[in-house]
Amino acid sequence: DTVLTQSPALAVSPGERVTISCRASESVSTRMHWYQQKPGQQPKLLIYGASNLESGVPARFSGSGSGTDFTLTIDPVEANDTATYFCQQSWNDPWTFGGGTKLELK
Amino acid sequence: QVQLKESGPGLVQPSETLSLTCTVSGFSLTSYSVSWVRQPSGKGPEWMGRMWYDGDTAYNSALKSRLSISRDTSKNQVFLKMNSLQTDDTGTYYCTRDSYYKDYFDYWGQGVMVTVSS
Repeated sequence: DTVLTQSPALAVSPGERVTISCRASESVSTRMHWYQQKPGQQPKLLIYGASNLESGVPARFSGSGSGTDFTLTIDPVEANDTATYFCQQSWNDPWTFGGGTKLELK
Repeated sequence: QVQLKESGPGLVQPSETLSLTCTVSGFSLTSYSVSWVRQPSGKGPEWMGRMWYDGDTAYNSALKSRLSISRDTSKNQVFLKMNSLQTDDTGTYYCTRDSYYKDYFDYWGQGVMVTVSS
């Protein structure tokens, strides 16, 4: 299975720019997607196809990457962005998720 | 609007079978696929399996021997059955929507917490 590796946690101040990384154990082309999950809630789709913003998601969120290295950028970070962010690939079966990066605000 | 809602028991005995139902609205099961995704507390999600729009199914090979997914299109419901449950099957179970053209989960149910314990 394709393993997706994310840093466990990040802490930033409101107004700053943050990049969250996801590295795949093998190429996933551009079939990488990002989700935001707040405590007690289901995940919410933010970015699909590595760089496409889901409808209704603020333009502060953006994604980039291809192959094995991907990033989710939030610029500027706001207080309500406190959440865990997951990457998910759909190029190789089975579809897999990363372990998540917990974003905390200072 | 698109909605998915999971239902089922919150507590299952070890070695027993888990049965969950996903009731959908706002879209057709003959146009979109529904997947089951589970998430242990504090960990990343795991894709379990899918009911395709055409009635075909796909399973995660890690769970295939224990898992069965079916549907009733007249009731807009998708069903999950997984047998031989163990404690590491404890977690939140979600049903999600994807499609042949959208290879990602654009809508999620609220999830149902399942605890495997005697």
